[in-house]
Amino acid sequence: GEDVEQSLFLSVREGDSSVINCTYTDSSSTYLYWYKQEPGAGLQLLTYIFSNMDMKQDQRLTVLLNKKDKHLSLRIADTQTGDSAIYFCAEGLYNQGGKLIFGQGTELSVKP
Amino acid sequence: DTGVSQNPRHKITKRGQNVTFRCDPISEHNRLYWYRQTLGQGPEFLTYFQNEAQLEKSRLLSDRFSAERPKGSFSTLEIQRTEQGDSAMYLCASGPTPNNSPLHFGNGTRLTVT
Repeated sequence: GEDVEQSLFLSVREGDSSVINCTYTDSSSTYLYWYKQEPGAGLQLLTYIFSNMDMKQDQRLTVLLNKKDKHLSLRIADTQTGDSAIYFCAEGLYNQGGKLIFGQGTELSVKP
Repeated sequence: DTGVSQNPRHKITKRGQNVTFRCDPISEHNRLYWYRQTLGQGPEFLTYFQNEAQLEKSRLLSDRFSAERPKGSFSTLEIQRTEQGDSAMYLCASGPTPNNSPLHFGNGTRLTVT
């Protein structure tokens, strides 16, 4: 079955880069997503990448995809205290109505 | 575009009572999903609609749960005879076709069963 794994915690200093990693299992996934969740709120779509891409950059965010190893990463450059949140990796299952399978989330703590 | 709207934001109920949540998706989105999220976990898929048709239900959706989307617009999720284990955040998401378009989530309904 489908499974998405993430490390649970990451702590960085303000101004440093953060790298959040994710592995997934479904080889038919055609697209992968990163969502951000702040306390008590819903999920905010940050960025996404199609499986025929290796990298996508969007302002401070860089997504790297290694299809062979089924490994996805999200790099946040110049991390700010406002980036403190839980980050979820999700794989999209095109052949199952586009539903998303989420990891457990990585809690990012940014210290001033 | 006002985003995905969910009501109520919070619901506290006693065990055994029925509750109903509502989701208003982004207006042009024909796909609608319900997810459940418990503390410290990622969202878990519950069910999915394409327009008014409910196309998939998770094993997590026991017979006490029912979801509808009668006119292919808003959706309701009802939980009958609530149990303490039903306490969670219930998230609704919507998306346009095709199936690889990103999903947009509402702020969720937090259910507490006492």
